[in-house]
Amino acid sequence: NAGVTQTPKFQVLKTGQSMTLQCAQDMNHEYMSWYRQDPGMGLRLIHYSVGAGITDQGEVPNGYNVSRSTTEDFPLRLLSAAPSQTSVYFCASSYSGTASPLHFGNGTRLTVT
Amino acid sequence: GNSVTQMEGPVTLSEEAFLTINCTYTATGYPSLFWYVQYPGEGLQLLLKATKADDKGSNKGFEATYRKETTSFHLEKGSVQVSDSAVYFCAHDNAGNMLTFGGGTRLMVKP
Repeated sequence: NAGVTQTPKFQVLKTGQSMTLQCAQDMNHEYMSWYRQDPGMGLRLIHYSVGAGITDQGEVPNGYNVSRSTTEDFPLRLLSAAPSQTSVYFCASSYSGTASPLHFGNGTRLTVT
Repeated sequence: GNSVTQMEGPVTLSEEAFLTINCTYTATGYPSLFWYVQYPGEGLQLLLKATKADDKGSNKGFEATYRKETTSFHLEKGSVQVSDSAVYFCAHDNAGNMLTFGGGTRLMVKP
């Protein structure tokens, strides 16, 4: 009963490097989303998906790309990392959007130097 | 616009004290309201929710009532325990498929 699995747990990047944060869920949830958590600012939505092949932008999408080729996976790509992207990133899934409880992964702590 | 404002922490209480964490929101229409809790090193978990005015959400001794007239959803618990130490987030879903979160309130309960 894995739920939502995020990898890696920690990552350090240099400015300009690219990387992909992985997210997988085994609950057959249609809705998946990525948030970033910054001190005092709560969680802000980066991108979300309401099903395989469908993605949309959230509140803070710049500098990030997503794709949803399968129901299970929703990777988040940083194209050219910047110090402003230092944050904790959470992936979440739910059965039917925000009306259903969101199930969160344990987060990825990213530092960009 | 849509926003959620909650009291800044940390809130420090002794075990068995009464807890209130204030939350107010701005939204168009009638959003559903949520409280999520984040224990150290973990992701957020849904604590309780309310979907319409005057609804009361409750779970694990925590309660919150959807007050449309004051646009508030304050979290309360009559007697906190050390195990309740965590960060609490208020949120609403007025923005369609997006949840709008408050900044979080850290609760520290001392034995």
